[in-house]
Amino acid sequence: GENVEQHPSTLSVQEGDSAVIKCTYSDSASNYFPWYKQELGKRPQLIIDIRSNVGEKKDQRIAVTLNKTAKHFSLHITETQPEDSAVYFCAASISNYQLIWGAGTKLIIKP
Amino acid sequence: GAGVSQSPRYKVAKRGQDVALRCDPISGHVSLFWYQQALGQGPEFLTYFQNEAQLDKSGLPSDRFFAERPEGSVSTLKIQRTQQEDSAVYLCASSLAPATGELFFGEGSRLTVL
Repeated sequence: GENVEQHPSTLSVQEGDSAVIKCTYSDSASNYFPWYKQELGKRPQLIIDIRSNVGEKKDQRIAVTLNKTAKHFSLHITETQPEDSAVYFCAASISNYQLIWGAGTKLIIKP
Repeated sequence: GAGVSQSPRYKVAKRGQDVALRCDPISGHVSLFWYQQALGQGPEFLTYFQNEAQLDKSGLPSDRFFAERPEGSVSTLKIQRTQQEDSAVYLCASSLAPATGELFFGEGSRLTVL
């Protein structure tokens, strides 16, 4: 069946450095790729998304890149700050309403 | 309220008990989803409503799980004869449009089955 693989499962970076989280998907028909941030004990919140008609999207310190040929997309966070510490989930659409989710990456920002 | 509201936030049930989890989505949101989230995992799709119609229940793990949204707003997820493997966080999310777009999640209902 369809799946999304997310790496790494845990990422520890020094405050101010960049962080990159990668996901691969299996369904070539996927056309929508959101990223959600979930702080400890809180609800997941959308931070950025991309549709398959573009290769990159940026919003301040956050960017997402998409390689449709390789079925691969990545989240890039620059100039990391303590408030970036959270679990990040990628997802890929497998229908016009349903998403399949990665297992999450715990991002730790070291002071 | 402004966001998606879920209740109860925490529920402890003895094995074999029935539980009901409630979701109050953002007013006017057409789509409503239920997800199950195990510790350290991503959300797993359970079921999808478009207004009052349950269009997809393919993710419900067994016939002990039942969901409804009778008037196209509030939704209830019911689990009958709970088992230990049902222990998880149950997340509800709503979105404005039927198609893929931003999901607004509730804070979840953490179910522990003893």
